[in-house]
Amino acid sequence: GENVEQHPSTLSVQEGDSAVIKCTYSDSASNYFPWYKQELGKRPQLIIDIRSNVGEKKDQRIAVTLNKTAKHFSLHITETQPEDSAVYFCAAPRISGGYNKLIFGAGTRLAVHP
Amino acid sequence: GAVVSQHPSRVICKSGTSVKIECRSLDFQATTMFWYRQFPKQSLMLMATSNEGSKATYEQGVEKDKFLINHASLTLSTLTVTSAHPEDSSFYICSAEGQGTDTQYFGPGTRLTVL
Repeated sequence: GENVEQHPSTLSVQEGDSAVIKCTYSDSASNYFPWYKQELGKRPQLIIDIRSNVGEKKDQRIAVTLNKTAKHFSLHITETQPEDSAVYFCAAPRISGGYNKLIFGAGTRLAVHP
Repeated sequence: GAVVSQHPSRVICKSGTSVKIECRSLDFQATTMFWYRQFPKQSLMLMATSNEGSKATYEQGVEKDKFLINHASLTLSTLTVTSAHPEDSSFYICSAEGQGTDTQYFGPGTRLTVL
């Protein structure tokens, strides 16, 4: 089945710097890779996703890159702001019983310091 | 669009009682809903997949008789924690997947505390 590893577990940056979070997955058949942001005590919110037919996707300060050959994908946040501070989770699908079940990485706690 | 609600947001109960948590997709029909459990400072662990009109499928190690799931309509799934014990205390989050899509939208979560 799918196994997702996420690094780093914690990341501290100064406001305005860039932040990069990386995930690797094991199932070469996986074709959908979402990123979620979770603030303390709140629901995970989808911030960006990418499908396996593209190598990069960008939405304002957030971008995701995908390397299918190496089976890894990364989240890039540019010009970080204090409100970007949260836990970020990557995920990859595990197809089981006809359902696309998401397997989540362990999470990265991002702290953006003013 | 794609709003998922969950009720209650917080519940405290005595050991041995049962607790029901509702998950609703408010502005879309969800053929499939998922139930997750999240311990403090940890990731989301999938407990079960709920499909409208059929039995839920449970992940390995999750007791189906303890965590009863009912997906009665295309907008409602319920999770009942039966005979709750302190070790069941956790943050329970549902997600809903729209028809014809693999994107999951999460509910706000339910914090369960069992005394």
